[in-house]
Amino acid sequence: EAGVAQSPRYKIIEKRQSVAFWCNPISGHATLYWYQQILGQGPKLLIQFQNNGVVDDSQLPKDRFSAERLKGVDSTLKIQPAKLEDSAVYLCASSLDPRTSGRSDTQYFGPGTRLTVL
Amino acid sequence: DQQVKQNSPSLSVQEGRISILNCDYTNSMFDYFLWYKKYPAEGPTFLISISSIKDKNEDGRFTVFLNKSAKHLSLHIVPSQPGDSAVYFCAASDGGKLIFGQGTELSVKP
Repeated sequence: EAGVAQSPRYKIIEKRQSVAFWCNPISGHATLYWYQQILGQGPKLLIQFQNNGVVDDSQLPKDRFSAERLKGVDSTLKIQPAKLEDSAVYLCASSLDPRTSGRSDTQYFGPGTRLTVL
Repeated sequence: DQQVKQNSPSLSVQEGRISILNCDYTNSMFDYFLWYKKYPAEGPTFLISISSIKDKNEDGRFTVFLNKSAKHLSLHIVPSQPGDSAVYFCAASDGGKLIFGQGTELSVKP
C-alpha cells in the first residue's frame, strides 16, 4: 500500500515570497491533516479536512496561509507571503474517518517538506 | 499551554537494556494515545497506541502503559536495539485531533 506522498521535499525561499506544498493521502483515507513542525517541537495541527470540507482550521494563520482539498483527495497548502518564522517542516497526514470508524484513528504521515525562509 | 508534555528531551540507553519514555497530559477528555517514532528527514511513523479504556498495550518489544489517574503514559522498549535510536513523540487524541509532545531523542548505544 502506498503511503502519504508529499512534494517538494525541500524548499528555500526569501521572506515575502510565496510557496505551495502538495500532498496525496493514502487511498481511501477521507481525513487529511496539515501539520507544522518547528525544530525542537512536536507537530502542530494547522488544518484538518474531512473529504473536501474543512473540519478544523483554528490554528491556521489565515492572513498568510491557505489550504484546499479539491475533489476530496489531493491537497495543497500555500503560504503567501512567507515570514522568517515559517521556517519549519510541513507534514501531511491522513486517516480513516474517526467519526465513522467509531474511535480516534491512527494518522499516517508523509515525509514532510522542509521549508527554509531566508 | 502545553497539554501534552515530554519532559526528557533525550535518553541514552545501552543495547539490550530497557528504554522507558515518559509522557504527561493535562486534559482528561483525551480518549486515545499514540506513540510515533521519527528518523531524521522522515515523517513520524506510527508505533503503538492505547485507548483510554485500557491500561496496557503490547506489541512485540514495545509496551505502552496508561495511568489515567496520574495522566501519565509511558513507552517501554525491551530489549533496546541500536535501530531504535530516533525521536519518539507521544500524542493524545481529542476527537481525532492529535496533540503532540515535544519529543524525546533516544540513543541506544552498542
